[in-house]
Amino acid sequence: EDQVTQSPEALRLQEGESSSLNCSYTVSGLRGLFWYRQDPGKGPEFLFTLYSAGEEKEKERLKATLTKKESFLHITAPKPEDSATYLCAVQARDSNYQLIWGAGTKLIIKP
Amino acid sequence: ETGVTQTPRHLVMGMTNKKSLKCEQHLGHNAMYWYKQSAKKPLELMFVYNFKEQTENNSVPSRFSPECPNSSHLFLHLHTLQPEDSALYLCASSPGLERVGELFFGEGSRLTVL
Repeated sequence: EDQVTQSPEALRLQEGESSSLNCSYTVSGLRGLFWYRQDPGKGPEFLFTLYSAGEEKEKERLKATLTKKESFLHITAPKPEDSATYLCAVQARDSNYQLIWGAGTKLIIKP
Repeated sequence: ETGVTQTPRHLVMGMTNKKSLKCEQHLGHNAMYWYKQSAKKPLELMFVYNFKEQTENNSVPSRFSPECPNSSHLFLHLHTLQPEDSALYLCASSPGLERVGELFFGEGSRLTVL
């Protein structure tokens, strides 16, 4: 069965303390993996698309990487404004519209 | 401002009421989606429209009825809902179905069914 698992469920860091969020996936062929950020009371905001193992994407303090079984979202020297829930989604190769979503990691950055 | 606007932002309804959620996108996208987000659960795809034609109905109960009059507007008509339907309903758009993972979401309509 295709599935996406995100860990940890919640992560509390001090400002400036770097860490990584994990997205493990099981699909029969990967078409794409997507990262989103969701602030409280708002809809998710698209961050990155990754297509193949070894690919990396960066945006400000965030860097997303991809292997054949998982993706990491590395956050370097985070600031309080990076606090949000980070969502991961996967599109299988045989899927036209369906994304398989993880339940998210809630990231809290304390000043 | 994402370019996708949803109204109302909050809605409380009884189980016998009929109400509608509205979504409008100003991005010139061709595909629009309804998603359901419940607490601590993954997003659930409900409906997909491409060029205002429905291409996916993800086994959604008939008490949810979508309508897409044009590529910029999407409605979700609600009737005879159950308390377990209480959730955040998110509208999203993408340039086309080939970029179904790069979604622009609205801020959502928070629905409470009493």
